[in-house]
Order: sequence, then C-alpha cells, then structure tokens
Amino acid sequence: DTAVSQTPKYLVTQMGNDKSIKCEQNLGHDTMYWYKQDSKKFLKIMFSYNNKELIINETVPNRFSPKSPDKAHLNLHINSLELGDSAVYFCASSQGPGQGAQGNTIYFGEGSWLTVV
Amino acid sequence: QQQVKQSPQSLIVQKGGISIINCAYENTAFDYFPWYQQFPGKGPALLIAIRPDVSEKKEGRFTISFNKSAKQFSLHIMDSQPGDSATYFCAASPANAGGTSYGKLTFGQGTILTVHP
Repeated sequence: DTAVSQTPKYLVTQMGNDKSIKCEQNLGHDTMYWYKQDSKKFLKIMFSYNNKELIINETVPNRFSPKSPDKAHLNLHINSLELGDSAVYFCASSQGPGQGAQGNTIYFGEGSWLTVV
Repeated sequence: QQQVKQSPQSLIVQKGGISIINCAYENTAFDYFPWYQQFPGKGPALLIAIRPDVSEKKEGRFTISFNKSAKQFSLHIMDSQPGDSATYFCAASPANAGGTSYGKLTFGQGTILTVHP
C-alpha cells in the first residue's frame, strides 16, 4: 500500500490551462505538504496544512491554490499554467508540523511530473 | 537566499569507498538536520537525521557529523555500494519554532552520487 499517493504521475498541458493534482495519505498523519522540485532538482516547500488548516504558505503565485477537504487529502489546483510551472510536485505528510520531534518524519509521495507546453 | 548550501553537486566513488557530502547553514534557528535520499522517479526518503546536541550520529554505513560552531554538517557513506547511487539532499528546520516557520524544511541543492562497481 502506498503511504502517500498522488495523481496524476505525469501531466502534459498547454499554457493557460487549469489543472489539479490530487494527494492522499493513509498514514493517519495530521500534516500535509506540497513541495516543488525544479529542473535542477531543487526542492522548495510551497504549502503545508495541519488538520485542514493552512500553516505554511510560501511565496507562491496565487494561481496555485491548495485545498484540504479532510486531513488525509491535500489537492493542488493551478490556474493559468505558465511554462515556468513545469516541475515535479511532491505531496508529503508527517504526524505533526514540527520537524525533528519524535515521529515527525516527512514522508513524500512519488511526485507528479508537470510539463507545460 | 539559499540558507542551506550543499557540496559537491556531483560525486563519483568506487565501490567500497567513502562518500562525503557537506552542507553549511546560515539560520541559527535551525535545530533539526535530516538527510534525504532520492532515487530517480521517486520521492525523497529520510535517510538519517541529527539534532545539534550531538556531534555525530551513525546508522549502519551512514554517519552524520555535525559542527555547531561552524554551522556545518556532513554525511559520510562508508563502504559505498552501487545501490547507494542516488541524489542526496541535506535539509534543516527549526524543530519547534512556532509561527510561520513551524515544520518548514529548507533543502540544500542536492548531490548526485554515482558509485561505480
């Protein structure tokens, strides 16, 4: 069973389109995240939610809108896609938001490869 | 601003050799330092982590050395194996800072390790 699963794994779309990436975790964790990995493999946090409440919102264009219908799901909707949005988007989860505390290891999904053409 | 600097960008080691990856950080609020391993097509996975109250942590062939005064930490992989070939990321976070940094992992740029048989 996949602990953190995200769909789709691959997504090719045209500029200007709107797309969503879905994420689900079956670990019973309270905190979920979206990370972006660019073409140089640099990983950067975008958002985190704890019990459906937004707690981290990095400097991300407001075309990106996360939605957490419940604490096991965190979806990412992207409006008006641009070429620069091409990246791998990782969903992740942890027991709590505090890194380093016992049991708060972040578990990552396998990523969603987004290509904007 | 890159708060965690990682080197080298790439590393080639012979089987049985020692792989060493270095990281330096700037933010003195960081007090949790994990290393993540990422295989192609997969998400990052926690390898080993350290808190600054110890100078070294060893798990099997993997050792983290930590120098708080220099704000540097490194990963040593002893007896490197071809199966260790992957991208390695150091990271840092404030474990229980509260506020908007709570739970935020800042990653280094990554090191692509290749272990030749």
